[in-house]
Amino acid sequence: KQEVTQIPAALSVPEGENLVLNCSFTDSAIYNLQWFRQDPGKGLTSLLLIQSSQREQTSGRLNASLDKSSGRSTLYIAASQPGDSATYLCAVRGAGNQFYFGTGTSLTVIP
Amino acid sequence: DAGITQSPRHKVTETGTPVTLRCHQTENHRYMYWYRQDPGHGLRLIHYSYGVKDTDKGEVSDGYSVSRSKTEDFLLTLESATSSQTSVYFCAISEATGELFFGEGSRLTVL
Repeated sequence: KQEVTQIPAALSVPEGENLVLNCSFTDSAIYNLQWFRQDPGKGLTSLLLIQSSQREQTSGRLNASLDKSSGRSTLYIAASQPGDSATYLCAVRGAGNQFYFGTGTSLTVIP
Repeated sequence: DAGITQSPRHKVTETGTPVTLRCHQTENHRYMYWYRQDPGHGLRLIHYSYGVKDTDKGEVSDGYSVSRSKTEDFLLTLESATSSQTSVYFCAISEATGELFFGEGSRLTVL
C-alpha cells in the first residue's frame, strides 16, 4: 500500500524566508502528485498538480518538484508571508483513481 | 472553482440516529469521494463513486453507506451514528486531468 510522509510535521519561519516542504512516497507508480493548502476550519485548496511525466510546476511564489524514481516531491515557497501560514498536504494519485495523502506540514510564518 | 457544495455544513446529532450528508457538483465529473479528517489520522477515504450507481469502499467504510443516483449528487449515510463518527467530512471530485478538488467540509458531532 502506498505510504505518503511529510516531514516536518510543523515548521515556523520568519517572514521573508524561503522555505522547502517535503513529501515522500513509497510506491513510484503514480499518475500525479498534488499539493494542497488547508486553512483552519476550511477545506483543501489545490495549489499545484504535477503529472508523472513532469519534473516541476510553478505558480507565483510556489514551485513544486517531483522525482518519481526516488519517491520525493518538494514544495518551495519563496519570500514567505504571514498569509502563507496554513497546513500544506501532498497527495499522490495511484491506480484506480485512488489518492493517498500525507498528514501535512503546519507552517507558521512569523511577522 | 470546481463547483462542489456540501450540506449540511454543521450538524449535531445523538448516538443512534441516522445522518445523511450531501455532496453536489455542477461539473458532471465522473469520480466523487467521501473522506473524513481527524487529528492524528489525516484524510481517510470512506467511499468513492466512479459513476451513477457505481460505488466502492474505502479504508474506513464500516458504519457508512453511499448512494449516487445522479451524476451530480453523492450521498453519505451514517445508518446509526456513533461518537466515533464525530469528524469533519469532505467530499471531493476528480477531474479528467486527475486533479482533485474538495468541498468546504461538513462538521458532524455525535453526542
